[in-house]
Parts: sequence; structure tokens; C-alpha cells
Amino acid sequence: EVQLVQSGAEVRKPGESLKISCSGSGYSFTSYWIAWVRQMPGKGLEWMGVIYPGDSDTRYSPSFQGQVTISADKSISTVYLQWSSLKASDTAMYYCARRGSSSEYFDFWGQGTLVTVSS
Amino acid sequence: DIQMTQSPSTLSASVGDRVTITCRASQTISSWLAWYQQKPGKAPRLLIYKASSLESGVPSRFSGSGSGTEFTLTISSLQPDDCATYYCQQYNSNPLTFGGGTKVEIK
Repeated sequence: EVQLVQSGAEVRKPGESLKISCSGSGYSFTSYWIAWVRQMPGKGLEWMGVIYPGDSDTRYSPSFQGQVTISADKSISTVYLQWSSLKASDTAMYYCARRGSSSEYFDFWGQGTLVTVSS
Repeated sequence: DIQMTQSPSTLSASVGDRVTITCRASQTISSWLAWYQQKPGKAPRLLIYKASSLESGVPSRFSGSGSGTEFTLTISSLQPDDCATYYCQQYNSNPLTFGGGTKVEIK
């Protein structure tokens, strides 16, 4: 069974750093791209970027380029999303999602990680 | 960026009704469109890919159609379990973009 399991909810202050994770199992982790998708409170879905764990090839949405870093550790089947300096506007639910084998839709999703940034 | 516009933003219908949601792309995306269902507090779930292909395990009352710039998601007979927000997503080009969502409620 394909599973993406994300790390738990986080509360941080503005200016702090954070790294959240997404661990995959039940499939060949290095063979599928994993994306991160943001959902701000009460809002829609926004694609942030994607990584291929096999070689860590990474693509970012222009809206998120330079704002976050996506990385992977294939030895432990885990992808990460990190911030070096959080802002209140980073408060959102973050989902990881597996890209389909031949196309860029998302066939499996993690349960989401809620990030709250507040002073 | 390709803009995806969904209509309506909210829809209220009775159990058993046929429901149609529209998604329009700001430029042609061929058939590179997916539909997702999201229930409150849950992750999105893939329903349809390549505009009209039903994902495994999704009830057959869901169907998708369209190509180019105009697409529809149809629920042939609305069930209580279908209360959710539905999103379209284009994957013709990066950045991948989603529609604003359509919330479906039961009357």
C-alpha cells in the first residue's frame, strides 16, 4: 500500500527556521517525483515545487523559488520542505503528494502538516 | 502562468441530482487536467486524470470531459458522501496550477 506520512504540526515564531518531512513507503521511492502543495487557511491549493528523490533534481514554482528549499534523503525514503526564516504568511497546511508515473497529476497525498507562525 | 477558473464557487443540490462543475483554462492545455475531491480536514483525493480517465477506486458516478480550455466534472447522482470541495488542476506546463475550488453542499 502506497503511503506518504508527514511530520507533525509545528508552531514557530517569525524569523525562526523549520524543516518538515514526508516519508514514503509501499512503492519504489526513488522512481516517483514528490511535490509540496500549500493550502492557506480557508483557501485553495498551490503547487510549490517538486523533487525526484532518485537524483534530487528539483523544480520550484516561481512564487516559491528562494522562499523555501526542497530536499530528499533517499536512504530513508524522505523528502523535506524547509524555511530559513519563517513569516506569519507561511501559516498554512502543507501537503506532500506523489506525482503520477507518467504525468504531473498527484495520485497519493500525505495527511498534511500544519505550520503556524505566530509571535 | 496558466490560470484555472472554476464555476460555480458553491453549489447546493439534492441527493440524486446530476451535478456539473466547470473548469476553464486561460490557454489551451490539451487534456492535461485532473480533478480532486477534498473533504474538510483531509488531504485531496484524485478523482479524474487526463480530463476523463477515472482513477482506480473512484465511484463511476464521477466523470470528466473536455479538452483545450473547457472542462467539466459531473456527478451523475449526488450522494451525501460527495459533500466536499472539488479542485481542477492543469499539468500542461509549469507552474502547475489549481482552480479556486467548488464547494458542493447537500440541500
